[in-house]
Parts: sequence; structure tokens; C-alpha cells
Amino acid sequence: EAQVTQNPRYLITVTGKKLTVTCSQNMNHEYMSWYRQDPGLGLRQIYYSMNVEVTDKGDVPEGYKVSRKEKRNFPLILESPSPNQTSLYFCASSLYGSDNYGYTFGSGTRLTVV
Amino acid sequence: DQQVKQNSPSLSVQEGRISILNCDYTNSMFDYFLWYKKYPAEGPTFLISISSIKDKNEDGRFTVFLNKSAKHLSLHIVPSQPGDSAVYFCAASYGQNFVFGPGTRLSVLP
Repeated sequence: EAQVTQNPRYLITVTGKKLTVTCSQNMNHEYMSWYRQDPGLGLRQIYYSMNVEVTDKGDVPEGYKVSRKEKRNFPLILESPSPNQTSLYFCASSLYGSDNYGYTFGSGTRLTVV
Repeated sequence: DQQVKQNSPSLSVQEGRISILNCDYTNSMFDYFLWYKKYPAEGPTFLISISSIKDKNEDGRFTVFLNKSAKHLSLHIVPSQPGDSAVYFCAASYGQNFVFGPGTRLSVLP
């Protein structure tokens, strides 16, 4: 089944403790992206990647890191999480690139930083 | 199995006419629905939403209709403008669950 898999689905952590949210797609998509969903703010892009070893900042990259060492994986790293990073995170990949349809979203990761 | 479907990958409409983007969902637990718009090289931005207790919500040129019995919602844009050309995502949620559709690319022709 074609899908984007995010792990974990739920995570509660403490301020300053490094964490990684994994994202993996099995569709050979070149484009992958991370978003955070906050009430009243909608979906905001954190980082995106057009291809392996190519990553770019989105609208809200501060406090986050990503890597794209292989096509299928695009982990989101929070080196020192803070409470303002409590949010619902989505990973997505796209068949036709960033400007077209054909997106597949992951199920989301609900992160709470205390 | 996709819980949120947008069966039209693309749509072209003449400027000034109505654009109708459709979205179908399978999970009857969904109680909140949203539409996002995405311009090239930008992240998606929130457009309009509707709660399952309503069947219509209007904001300027944008109206979302919800038909719960058919598990179908649609976004109407009237009149369509060239600046509306973008990819539109439908999303559905309940509780902690949030599901996006694959998107529909709208092209408004001058």
C-alpha cells in the first residue's frame, strides 16, 4: 500500500530532550515536506526537500532540523524541544513535485513538550 | 485505503465563472472539515472550514457545502480569479485524527 508513515503518532517529552520524528514513504517520491498544524494558524511548512541531499527552509524552520540522506526517509529533528513546539506535525510527499496535486500525507504526530 | 478523496486531480475554469472543487470521505466519525490552498513554492494556507453541525459556510467568494449523508463536501469559488490558481487540499478531522486529501490543481484562465 502506497503510504507515508510517521512515527511516533503521539509523543510527550520534556524541554531540552532531543527527539526525532521519522517519516518514510514507499512511493519513490522526490518531494517531501514537514508541516505543523496549530489551532488558528493552519498548516505551516517547516522544511521541505526536493530530492536527496537537497533541503530548504519553509515558513517556520526555527528549532528544527531535517536530513534527506535517502529518498524514502525525511526525519524531523528537534535538538532542544521547547513548549512552543507542542503541535500536530505532518509529513507529506508528492509525486509531481511541490506545485502540483498528488500529495500523500502521513497520519500525523502529536507532540507535547512539557 | 484513502479516507479523504479528491477525485479530480485538476480543474480548469474561465475567469469570472464558478469553480467547484469536490471532496469525498469515508469515515463517518469526521466532524470538522477544512480547505487549504497552496501556491507554488509555498506551504498550504488555510482557506475555510466547516463543522459537521452545519451544511454551509461562506466567506467572501468562498463557500463550503457539506452533505453528511453523502459524505461529500465541496468548495465553491465565485467568481473565480486568476489569483485563485493553486492546489486545493481538502482535510477532515475528528479528535486527534487529521486526514488530508491528495489535492486538486485549479487553473483559472483569463
